[in-house]
Amino acid sequence: EAQVTQNPRYLITVTGKKLTVTCSQNMNHEYMSWYRQDPGLGLRQIYYSMNVEVTDKGDVPEGYKVSRKEKRNFPLILESPSPNQTSLYFCASSFRRAGQRNEQYFGPGTRLTVT
Amino acid sequence: TQLLEQSPQFLSIQEGENLTVYCNSSSVFSSLQWYRQEPGEGPVLLVTVVTGGEVKKLKRLTFQFGDARKDSSLHITAAQPGDTGLYLCAGAEYNTDKLIFGTGTRLQVFP
Repeated sequence: EAQVTQNPRYLITVTGKKLTVTCSQNMNHEYMSWYRQDPGLGLRQIYYSMNVEVTDKGDVPEGYKVSRKEKRNFPLILESPSPNQTSLYFCASSFRRAGQRNEQYFGPGTRLTVT
Repeated sequence: TQLLEQSPQFLSIQEGENLTVYCNSSSVFSSLQWYRQEPGEGPVLLVTVVTGGEVKKLKRLTFQFGDARKDSSLHITAAQPGDTGLYLCAGAEYNTDKLIFGTGTRLQVFP
């Protein structure tokens, strides 16, 4: 089954404790992206990757890191989480070929609470 | 920063009613996508419209892309409880295809 998986689904942590949210896709997609979803603000892009070893900042990258060592995986790293990073996070992937429209496949989400 | 405004923000209706959700921007997009998100899940793509003026139908859902490619609408005929969810529009920027998401319309359909 074609899918994007994220782990963990729920996480409660304390300020400053480093954490990693994993994301994996099995569709051989080139493009992967992380979003955060906050009430009234919609989905905002944190980082994206056009392919292996190619990453770039989205609209709200501060406080986050990513890596793309393999095509299928795109982990999101919070080196020193703060309460304003409490949010619902989504990983997404898509093809990046001529004629494709960056139609995103989303993971199920990770609800993060930083106290 | 481009913005996509959706209206209404919230919509609560009875089963069988019709409704329209709007997605507006001052920017022109190469294409526009509509997603539906149910509680506890990620957004799922419903449709992509590409040509100005294009109309696409998906069962009881009708999607239209504005002639100027700046706006779009989603019309649901005879809404059902299964239509309940958060509807998101997303415009794709020219050259980059980066998606700009709208603020969302939360629809609740009561039996």
